[in-house]
This record gives sequence, C-alpha cells and structure tokens, in this order.
Amino acid sequence: AQSVTQLDSHVSVSEGTPVLLRCNYSSSYSPSLFWYVQHPNKGLQLLLKYTSAATLVKGINGFEAEFKKSETSFHLTKPSAHMSDAAEYFCVVRAIKAAGNKLTFGGGTRVLVKP
Amino acid sequence: EAGVTQFPSHSVIEKGQTVTLRCDPISGHDNLYWYRRVMGKEIKFLLHFVKESKQDESGMPNNRFLAERTGGTYSTLKVQPAELEDSGVYFCASSSGQGINSPLHFGNGTRLTVT
Repeated sequence: AQSVTQLDSHVSVSEGTPVLLRCNYSSSYSPSLFWYVQHPNKGLQLLLKYTSAATLVKGINGFEAEFKKSETSFHLTKPSAHMSDAAEYFCVVRAIKAAGNKLTFGGGTRVLVKP
Repeated sequence: EAGVTQFPSHSVIEKGQTVTLRCDPISGHDNLYWYRRVMGKEIKFLLHFVKESKQDESGMPNNRFLAERTGGTYSTLKVQPAELEDSGVYFCASSSGQGINSPLHFGNGTRLTVT
C-alpha cells in the first residue's frame, strides 16, 4: 500500500522569496516520486521525478526536490517565486513493483504568489 | 505533437441523467488512464487501458461507470445514471509505455457537475 501526505493545503509567498512545499509518503516498495503542477484550466504537468538515482532532483521552471528516505519526505523547493508559479501542486508516488503507471496523489497544495 | 484532449471541458447535468466523457490520447500511446478528483478530495485512479483492453479497473467506483476504448484509440467514460457524488473533475492521461521512463501526459480534464 502507498500513500502521500501534503502537509499544507495552501501556501502564500511573496514574489522573489523561496517556496517550500512539503510532502511525506509511505510505500511498501521502493517508490518513484513525482511532483505535478496544475495551472488554472490546464492539465497536470510533470515538474520532476525521482527514480532512485540522484536524491536531489532538478525539474522545470527552477524547481527541485530532495528525496530523504530516512524522513520519507520529498519536499519541493524553488529559490525565488515568480507570479507564474501560482498554481496547485501535487506530490505523487508510484511503487516501482506496481504494474502500469497507477499513481497515488497527495491532496494538493495551492500556491498563491503575492506581488 | 498534440496533447491529450478531453471533451467536453465542462458538463452540467441533472441527477439521473447520462453523461459521456471522451478522451483522445496522444497518437501512438497504447496506455490510457482515467483519474478523477471529487470536490475536496485527492485525485484518484479509476482505470487503465492497454490498447483496447482494460488492464486495471480497480478504481471504478460502481457499475454506473462504464469505460470503453474501442479500437484502442480514443476512450469514453459513461456515467449512467449520474448521482450528486459523481461531481468532480475527470482527468485522462496517456503514456507510450508502462515503465518509469514513460511519464503520464494528462489532459485538461472534464469538470462534471451533477445537480
């Protein structure tokens, strides 16, 4: 069984300040972890993925995430928020032994960027 | 390359009526998935097609939901009869393979409102 908990349902940051979105997971197997973003009226876009290679993963638009097995965490960060980062972000886990691409989503974190 | 396309983008129907959602995957993608997000909840897996065959339909909530993928191209998801709790956003995704290096590409979703 696997599950994902996003610790904040809403995060508000000022433009130019760092962004931190927290995610904890549980999985019976070695997991693959993803962050997706959904802008208003758009589909889910893959930001980055962790697949048991480097623990620090760099994604698009300046985002990165660090896999910490001891803490079962996969927090998403960005050094400097931009107005275009306002969106909802989803932490997602897939157990490597699972067939297909059945994904388990966290509840989402809605990011507000203030000018 | 055209992305995953979903029709309609919005649908408002009355309880007891029937609605059919359509998904056109990326051309050549054998794997097609349906997910949905009910208001205030996580995005949850519904089912997975490989070509025209259902590989995993463990997430389908009940027999009011029928998914088809005749010919292994586009897919439809029919809800009959619709109930209030079926309201939410229905996402379709496709991938070329099932491995971790075949990410899911999501459509913009269909927002279904049952009144």
